[in-house]
Amino acid sequence: QQPVQSPQAVILREGEDAVINCSSSKALYSVHWYRQKHGEAPVFLMILLKGGEQKGHEKISASFNEKKQQSSLYLTASQLSYSGTYFCGTESPSSNNNDMRFGAGTRLTVKP
Amino acid sequence: EPEVTQTPSHQVTQMGQEVILRCVPISNHLYFYWYRQILGQKVEFLVSFYNNEISEKSEIFDDQFSVERPDGSNFTLKIRSTKLEDSAMYFCASRFLRDSPLHFGNGTRLTVT
Repeated sequence: QQPVQSPQAVILREGEDAVINCSSSKALYSVHWYRQKHGEAPVFLMILLKGGEQKGHEKISASFNEKKQQSSLYLTASQLSYSGTYFCGTESPSSNNNDMRFGAGTRLTVKP
Repeated sequence: EPEVTQTPSHQVTQMGQEVILRCVPISNHLYFYWYRQILGQKVEFLVSFYNNEISEKSEIFDDQFSVERPDGSNFTLKIRSTKLEDSAMYFCASRFLRDSPLHFGNGTRLTVT
């Protein structure tokens, strides 16, 4: 079952912040975040593997609340290059499961 | 940096024909995937492959579809009797371990006329 992302779309001015949420009705083993620019393949941003884990890369960071089966992606002081569609991907804890399912995506537009 | 490569980049076929989409995953990767993305929509999981067999498949992946790893380097998706609604971008992805990032190829745009 695929995760649910919100919001569907965000429009920002350069320098503004955004939060993208990802939730699942099933227990999660991991959460992945990817960004896709128009006409290109999704590109990996980060993985969160443990409940409560937070990761950051420059001004993009994420958290994972294992109990709530939720993850959030934080984009601070957004830049024009952040524009694209952000997907979260989730997997369940079963070692037999090998199906990374993606949410419907959040389209982020950063304007000058 | 090693890449996942997909060929062809664009395939046009007539309804009812069979197509084979090809992928060369990164050489030391163990897990392989096919995803489909209809224009402007979500990335849909089709199938995963590990240890020379399918490990998971979605409800989309019915008898019309099959995957093979014929020679230890290529990973193919065969679509039999194509339909108009099969038109989409098909992405191959691979990763080393379950805890590793997915690396996507640049995709094959399939157009069924």
